[in-house]
Amino acid sequence: SAVISQKPSRDICQRGTSLTIQCQVDSQVTMMFWYRQQPGQSLTLIATANQGSEATYESGFVIDKFPISRPNLTFSTLTVSNMSPEDSSIYLCSVEDRLASTDTQYFGPGTRLTVL
Amino acid sequence: AQSVTQPDIHITVSEGASLELRCNYSYGATPYLFWYVQSPGQGLQLLLKYFSGDTLVQGIKGFEAEFKRSQSSFNLRKPSVHWSDAAEYFCAVGAPGTASKLTFGTGTRLQVTL
Repeated sequence: SAVISQKPSRDICQRGTSLTIQCQVDSQVTMMFWYRQQPGQSLTLIATANQGSEATYESGFVIDKFPISRPNLTFSTLTVSNMSPEDSSIYLCSVEDRLASTDTQYFGPGTRLTVL
Repeated sequence: AQSVTQPDIHITVSEGASLELRCNYSYGATPYLFWYVQSPGQGLQLLLKYFSGDTLVQGIKGFEAEFKRSQSSFNLRKPSVHWSDAAEYFCAVGAPGTASKLTFGTGTRLQVTL
């Protein structure tokens, strides 16, 4: 399976600021996703990062708050904008390689964000 | 809409004891089914998956899961738990033919006593 890394691994931020999280994969993959895991909760899909086009957001998530880029098949960023304490979560990226026909998502290690 | 229920929020077992974590799903057909494990401070690691065929699937770390269509269940089992198995376990379902739209259960936290 692909090796996925995320930067930063954790951060503490002040409310009103923005943080950009990077997701790097060691091989080209077709699909990349961003999830949020609030404290003590399960995973919620934020959006699908589309290479060369705008991300596809799930209900309850908007581009102004969570802008996403995917410039190529191995890299994506998620920005958490104008942060509030409610944004304190673990943010995870995942990948699915449809060309490999695995029909399986593999996850990065996550970014633990605390907003004060 | 698809949904996943993990009825046990927290389970404690003794090291060496057997383990069964429950997962029930709601879906119109047979979905793709997954179990992931999240160790403290870590991302999710895939334990096993079921797409079709043999209803008993083997995974990594000695885990197995059994798909029971009649019960809409996909329970995770391990015959002998090790202290290193202490973690959060998530069951997930996806539409057949793709893993793009995964729905996760709320997770079961496993504690292992020595």
